[in-house]
Amino acid sequence: AQTVTQSQPEMSVQEAETVTLSCTYDTSESNYYLFWYKQPPSRQMILVIRQEAYKQQNATENRFSVNFQKAAKSFSLKISDSQLGDTAMYFCAFRHTGANSKLTFGKGITLSVRP
Amino acid sequence: KAGVTQTPRYLIKTRGQQVTLSCSPISGHRSVSWYQQTPGQGLQFLFEYFSETQRNKGNFPGRFSGRQFSNSRSEMNVSTLELGDSALYLCASSLVSGDEQYFGPGTRLTVT
Repeated sequence: AQTVTQSQPEMSVQEAETVTLSCTYDTSESNYYLFWYKQPPSRQMILVIRQEAYKQQNATENRFSVNFQKAAKSFSLKISDSQLGDTAMYFCAFRHTGANSKLTFGKGITLSVRP
Repeated sequence: KAGVTQTPRYLIKTRGQQVTLSCSPISGHRSVSWYQQTPGQGLQFLFEYFSETQRNKGNFPGRFSGRQFSNSRSEMNVSTLELGDSALYLCASSLVSGDEQYFGPGTRLTVT
């Protein structure tokens, strides 16, 4: 069974600074997807970024980028130029490839951006 | 294109009752997955439906059931409610099973 671990329950960052959220996972699969989801206080879960395991290049979406270390089974999210709207819970998630696969989530981390 | 919608948004029920939650996926999406979110257990997968068939099931008791209709709308039912069923229930849809999932706003269920 796959597991996703987010060991930091909370983090805080000053507006405009950079913050990194950590995530590790465990799987015996070689082909899979990794995701970071954002859940603001309004509760709508939003996909932030996704990474295919077969791609060596780290995914980037505007101010959001990942550091994907496949051998170490590590998948961290870097948020640059933090904004107040980045305040939310962030979930790391895993899904192996295949039609019947399911998303497995980490416990999440609460990120607060201070003005 | 409208997003995933869930009804009702809030629900209060008494122990022992049953409840039905509804999810309408994004137009054209045929896969619907359900998750339970609680502060203690986090996000846990309940089940997934694709083309009216259950494709995958999480580790929940048989009191939790679901179905999907021909228009891809899905319902989940919880019978004999327990206090521990109080949670945010999230629905997510995708074009096909295994594809990228888009989440709805959730239904907040409180069991008293």
